[in-house]
Amino acid sequence: GAVVSQHPSWVICKSGTSVKIECRSLDFQATTMFWYRQFPKQSLMLMATSNEGSKATYEQGVEKDKFLINHASLTLSTLTVTSAHPEDSSFYICSASGGGGVGQGAGEQFFGPGTRLTVL
Amino acid sequence: DQQVKQNSPSLSVQEGRISILNCDYTNSMFDYFLWYKKYPAEGPTFLISISSIKDKNEDGRFTVFLNKSAKHLSLHIVPSQPGDSAVYFCAAGMSGNQFYFGTGTSLTVIP
Repeated sequence: GAVVSQHPSWVICKSGTSVKIECRSLDFQATTMFWYRQFPKQSLMLMATSNEGSKATYEQGVEKDKFLINHASLTLSTLTVTSAHPEDSSFYICSASGGGGVGQGAGEQFFGPGTRLTVL
Repeated sequence: DQQVKQNSPSLSVQEGRISILNCDYTNSMFDYFLWYKKYPAEGPTFLISISSIKDKNEDGRFTVFLNKSAKHLSLHIVPSQPGDSAVYFCAAGMSGNQFYFGTGTSLTVIP
């Protein structure tokens, strides 16, 4: 199957700093990338959907000025958590969809391994 | 409002027996359904999918059943193995759009 990587896998930062998380599709072109957040013992919650070359669409309740998403190429999307605070500590997961092709399926998404953010 | 529900937070099964994980959804427009497996501190990995034109899809030990009239899907694992112990998420959505995830069922397969 298709491979999606995330970097870094774990980041610890001080309150007030900004953190950038990268999501890369390694062997296919991802026309759409999704960013999810998982709180402990809860389901994945979609934060935003980004299509290459256009602005991300944020879910209700997600601050777009705090969670900056850039999808500048078909293989890379970034999520920047600006002025991070302890309540932003969470597991952030991206997924990528190529919209079709061998092994990709009509609606199949491929998930990255996730990034654990800890804000002190 | 939770569009996808997994009402059993946990399930324990003896090795070799069948594991049945259940999932209910509310939106009749959903036409694509997925099951993911997740180990602690790792991202979810895709397990098996089914589209609304089918009612069953099988892949090795894993079979997903879809009952559209009941808006219900289930994942059967047979025979269950200790390595299957993980949290299983079902997801539902419309092809090409976002998917909505259930809250997960933690499966423990007892050796």
